[in-house]
Amino acid sequence: DARVTQTPRHKVTEMGQEVTMRCQPILGHNTVFWYRQTMMQGLELLAYFRNRAPLDDSGMPKDRFSAEMPDATLATLKIQPSEPRDSAVYFCASGRPQGSYNEQFFGPGTRLTVL
Amino acid sequence: DQQVKQNSPSLSVQEGRISILNCDYTNSMFDYFLWYKKYPAEGPTFLISISSIKDKNEDGRFTVFLNKSAKHLSLHIVPSQPGDSAVYFCAASAPVNYGGSQGNLIFGKGTKLSVKP
Repeated sequence: DARVTQTPRHKVTEMGQEVTMRCQPILGHNTVFWYRQTMMQGLELLAYFRNRAPLDDSGMPKDRFSAEMPDATLATLKIQPSEPRDSAVYFCASGRPQGSYNEQFFGPGTRLTVL
Repeated sequence: DQQVKQNSPSLSVQEGRISILNCDYTNSMFDYFLWYKKYPAEGPTFLISISSIKDKNEDGRFTVFLNKSAKHLSLHIVPSQPGDSAVYFCAASAPVNYGGSQGNLIFGKGTKLSVKP
């Protein structure tokens, strides 16, 4: 049963601390997405990668957020320094291009609380 | 400037009745539409989709209708069951490389459906 895994599932931290979220995409998927879900904005695309190369990170606050794919089995999203407004659920999704759109299978999310 | 809008944050329906979730979009380049379902503490899961060449797609109790002229789609669930209680996200995509699109999904903010026994 292939699925996207994310760690940690929950993270509580204090303002100013560094936060790293990890994602293991489904084996064979070459596209990885990071989303943030908030009550106000719904699901926002932060960044995405294809074949480990970053294609678009325009949704990410550049000064404090960074996303990487050290290898095909790991994607990371880092916030440094974290702020209370970063509190949200962060989802990773993976997939493969399907004709005119990118299929996406979502992980369970990391619920981040910044105090 | 939201390109995909779900104007009803919540919907409550009696078990056995029809649930209708609505979604509007503004970008006429969108040609593929999807509905995702999300339970608490889980990620969204794909439910049903429709291409712009169709106006209806059915899968069991779930039917999606597309009205391109009105830029509107809806998800019908008949009959509704308590297990359908979840947040439903509408999403849309434009063809890759058309007007700068990368084929990624644009999501609405979701509608929380509650089906009461």
